[in-house]
Amino acid sequence: DAGITQSPRHKVTETGTPVTLRCHQTENHRYMYWYRQDPGHGLRLIHYSYGVKDTDKGEVSDGYSVSRSKTEDFLLTLESATSSQTSVYFCAISEFGTRNNPLHFGNGTRLTVT
Amino acid sequence: AQKVTQAQTEISVVEKEDVTLDCVYETRDTTYYLFWYKQPPSGELVFLIRRNSFDEQNEISGRYSWNFQKSTSSFNFTITASQVVDSAVYFCALSVASLYNQGGKLIFGQGTELSVKP
Repeated sequence: DAGITQSPRHKVTETGTPVTLRCHQTENHRYMYWYRQDPGHGLRLIHYSYGVKDTDKGEVSDGYSVSRSKTEDFLLTLESATSSQTSVYFCAISEFGTRNNPLHFGNGTRLTVT
Repeated sequence: AQKVTQAQTEISVVEKEDVTLDCVYETRDTTYYLFWYKQPPSGELVFLIRRNSFDEQNEISGRYSWNFQKSTSSFNFTITASQVVDSAVYFCALSVASLYNQGGKLIFGQGTELSVKP
């Protein structure tokens, strides 16, 4: 299994509070991704990173920000959590990007915003 | 625009039946890659297969087989003699070459939940 650790695994928070999810990898892979999974939508890309301090938006980036200050860590921040951000969040990594290479996923973080 | 459609939201079969999961994709790129992932009830995402747009050869791996047809933009997944352990959500995904300047992205379908009953 790829060395990907997501923390926390579960979190319950209140509307309006900031939340940070962490993805830590031990594979030294260049590319990292944050997806959210919701019923009926599959997995949708929030943000991704193609190197230290290099990030870009995915299809559902509103309300989220990311940071990558070192290769092994990719942080996802909800500046002010809303109930619509209740979801399961997956981090993924890739050594060469998605050109004919699969992503390897962490075990997910279940976030509930009340 | 790129898009993946898995029209079957849920499928229920009895053990030992064969089952096919449909995946239809849209892209204007001539170079692209297709993937299947499995998500068992435990929640992790497991990579199953990848296929590039230049290779239309079907693939078989044990009870699993994949049928790639560019003419119909489909990449269907068949499980032969299904087993209870095959119960999971299965995702089809697309990666396109035009997005590779920053490593590329995987675009996922909505997923098909397969339930195999004993």
